[in-house]
Amino acid sequence: KQEVTQIPAALSVPEGENLVLNCSFTDSAIYNLQWFRQDPGKGLTSLLLIQSSQREQTSGRLNASLDKSSGRSTLYIAASQPGDSATYLCAVQSGNQFYFGTGTSLTVIP
Amino acid sequence: EAQVTQNPRYLITVTGKKLTVTCSQNMNHEYMSWYRQDPGLGLRQIYYSMNVEVTDKGDVPEGYKVSRKEKRNFPLILESPSPNQTSLYFCASSLIASSYEQYFGPGTRLTVT
Repeated sequence: KQEVTQIPAALSVPEGENLVLNCSFTDSAIYNLQWFRQDPGKGLTSLLLIQSSQREQTSGRLNASLDKSSGRSTLYIAASQPGDSATYLCAVQSGNQFYFGTGTSLTVIP
Repeated sequence: EAQVTQNPRYLITVTGKKLTVTCSQNMNHEYMSWYRQDPGLGLRQIYYSMNVEVTDKGDVPEGYKVSRKEKRNFPLILESPSPNQTSLYFCASSLIASSYEQYFGPGTRLTVT
């Protein structure tokens, strides 16, 4: 069964810093990996989707990479802002099912 | 506006009283899914549906039922809720199962006493 791990569980950085969030998964047979943002009391917002054949995706200040063979993905956030404070979740699709990590809670300090 | 809607958003109920949480999407998506989110456990998939009349179990299906009679709707049914089903529930949809991102509803916070 697929297991997804996110480290660290929590991260606090000063505004303007570049940062990296990590996601690892145990079974490399995935269709895709998706990064989400979740604000307190809210639903999930999709940030980036990386297909299994791709190495990375970029959207604005966000860049996600995927190394399927080693079971790892990173989400790079450039020039962090207080508005980036949220919980970031990664999810992989194996077969027709989706498996989520427990998230990294990010706080950007003004 | 393209969206996934869930109702109710908040529900407090008692053990054993049947309830239904509705989910609807207006994007003509084939794939729909239900998740529960618990502290320390993350989101876990309960049931999913590849298309109308096609549903399958996720990782934690016990105590839940679903149906997919129309493409846009995917209700979650708890026939006899128990306190261990107290959780935050999310419905999600995507165009098809693979290659497309999932869109999530706002969540339903369920408390079973």
